[in-house]
Amino acid sequence: AQRVTQPEKLLSVFKGAPVELKCNYSYSGSPELFWYVQYSRQRLQLLLRHISRESIKGFTADLNKGETSFHLKKPFAQEEDSAMYYCALSPMDTGRRALTFGSGTRLQVQP
Amino acid sequence: NAGVTQTPKFQVLKTGQSMTLQCAQDMNHNSMYWYRQDPGMGLRLIYYSASEGTTDKGEVPNGYNVSRLNKREFSLRLESAAPSQTSVYFCALGRTGVLTFGAGSRLTVL
Repeated sequence: AQRVTQPEKLLSVFKGAPVELKCNYSYSGSPELFWYVQYSRQRLQLLLRHISRESIKGFTADLNKGETSFHLKKPFAQEEDSAMYYCALSPMDTGRRALTFGSGTRLQVQP
Repeated sequence: NAGVTQTPKFQVLKTGQSMTLQCAQDMNHNSMYWYRQDPGMGLRLIYYSASEGTTDKGEVPNGYNVSRLNKREFSLRLESAAPSQTSVYFCALGRTGVLTFGAGSRLTVL
């Protein structure tokens, strides 16, 4: 079975500061990792996935298989980044591709 | 083009009452999911359906039933609601981890 751990419930930073939201996972097979974001009064939406290797809204995340981590980073936080962030895992090597989510980290960016 | 529509948005039940949460899509996806969101626990999968007529249990299926009678709709039923089922319920659809979520249904069981 897979597991996703987000150790921080709340991360508070000032505008312009770097941000790192931590995500660790456990899965014996081949995983695909995602970050989802939920802004206030909006639907949960995909932010990025490790396969795409994109930068979305200035955020990046690199899959580190040795450390089983997929931390989300942004060099300069903006107030509009304040939201709830969820790390999620989908097995790539089984037919059961449902996402397993972490417990989420609330990011607060203060002015 | 509504994408994913969940009804109702809010519901208050008494312990032991039953109700059905409805989810409808117009995105022609085969796979649909029901998650519950609780503070400090993230989203947990209740049930999912890989295609019309098929359903599978997720992480927390106890106390729930689902029905996928056609491709568009996936309903979640609470036969005898309990206070532990107070939560926000999300329907989602998609595949390979790229999901589109509904707006959520906030359920309170007294």
